[in-house]
This record gives sequence, C-alpha cells and structure tokens, in this order.
Amino acid sequence: DAKTTQPPSMDCAEGRAANLPCNHSTISGNEYVYWYRQIHSQGPQYIIHGLKNNETNEMASLIITEDRKSSTLILPHATLRDTAVYYCLSVVYGAGSYQLTFGKGTKLSVIP
Amino acid sequence: DAGVIQSPRHEVTEMGQEVTLRCKPISGHNSLFWYRQTMMRGLELLIYFNNNVPIDDSGMPEDRFSAKMPNASFSTLKIQPSEPRDSAVYFCASSYQAGNTDTQYFGPGTRLTVL
Repeated sequence: DAKTTQPPSMDCAEGRAANLPCNHSTISGNEYVYWYRQIHSQGPQYIIHGLKNNETNEMASLIITEDRKSSTLILPHATLRDTAVYYCLSVVYGAGSYQLTFGKGTKLSVIP
Repeated sequence: DAGVIQSPRHEVTEMGQEVTLRCKPISGHNSLFWYRQTMMRGLELLIYFNNNVPIDDSGMPEDRFSAKMPNASFSTLKIQPSEPRDSAVYFCASSYQAGNTDTQYFGPGTRLTVL
C-alpha cells in the first residue's frame, strides 16, 4: 500500500473552507484514497473516499489530481466541531489480505 | 443502530494479569478489525476477521495477544499476561465489504492501563 504524507497541523477560521492536502505519490491503480477523522479520543470516523474521480458527500469533498499522486479534502464551511485529527489513507484489497495503514494525520484546529 | 459496542470502556489492571476486551460489531457487517492506538505508534491494525475467520494477524505484537470471533456478533481480544507497554486505547471496527470498497465503523474504544 502507498505511503501517504500529510502536514502535521493546520489552522482554519470558523466558517471558512478547510483544505487538507495529502500526498500519495506511490499510489497504485487499484488503491483507493480514504479520509477519516478522529475527534478527541473517540474512534475514527469515516468521511469520504475515492479512486479517480472527485467525490462529494454531506460532510466534505475530495479532489484527486489527474495523476492520482495527491488529493485534497475540503470541508466547505468549517465549524468548531470539525477540530480533529484527519487521516488520509490508501487502501488496497487483495485476495485474503486487507492493507490499511493510518499515518500521523493532520491536526486541524478551527479557530473562532 | 447502536453502532459498534466495546466493553469495558476503561480497564486498569496489574502487570501479569489477563485482560479481555470485547466487541459487538454492527449487525450485518461481515468484517471486524482490532486496532491499538498509542502516542508513540499511532493507530495500528492488529488483526481482522472476515465472516468470523481471521484473515490477517500480522499486526498482533506477540504471542501474548490472541483474538477470537466465535460468531458474527461477538469478538474478543485477550492479552495474557499483560505488561505495562500494552497500555493503549484499543479500538474495534466493523464493515460490510462489498466489491472493492467498504467503510469501517469504529467503536468508542477501550482505554487499557497496565500498572
């Protein structure tokens, strides 16, 4: 599975869009990009995932570059409750094996 | 839907004692995962089950750790004997794997302290 690289921390003003980058330059064609977040010491929470196309759901948007070497998670209107650690993962499914590696993530602080 | 249920939420024990952590996955999910989180190592996958069968236990740190899933609605992670370095938050997650995508739903975790 590809290694992902994220900035350790970011700040965002409340109400503004939060753009969280992720580098996955060694990603292979069958690896998906997943985003999870972890608030305080709660269990991680799924946000969104994609393979090649940009994706949007009620929580966020995921923009994947055409070469798939990087992606950006966008929280369109950040609130204080979005303060969390955000993890970008690459996930590959193989016969009898499931590779899922959480890195250190990006600690997002939403500032009033 | 109750989500993934873990018990106990907190466990304090002494070195050498046996510890059993429990997990009830979301009904209908066919995969279950055990993770450990520490400040030093972050979130690590220990083992996962598919249809109650252990598929990959390469993340289990050593023989003191064992995991079972006797049926689709229950799993245990046991540490015997426990050591202070086992202190961590242990998460259980479940998912319904269909095709090449699935979403994992995590429980609230069990905070284990080994004195």
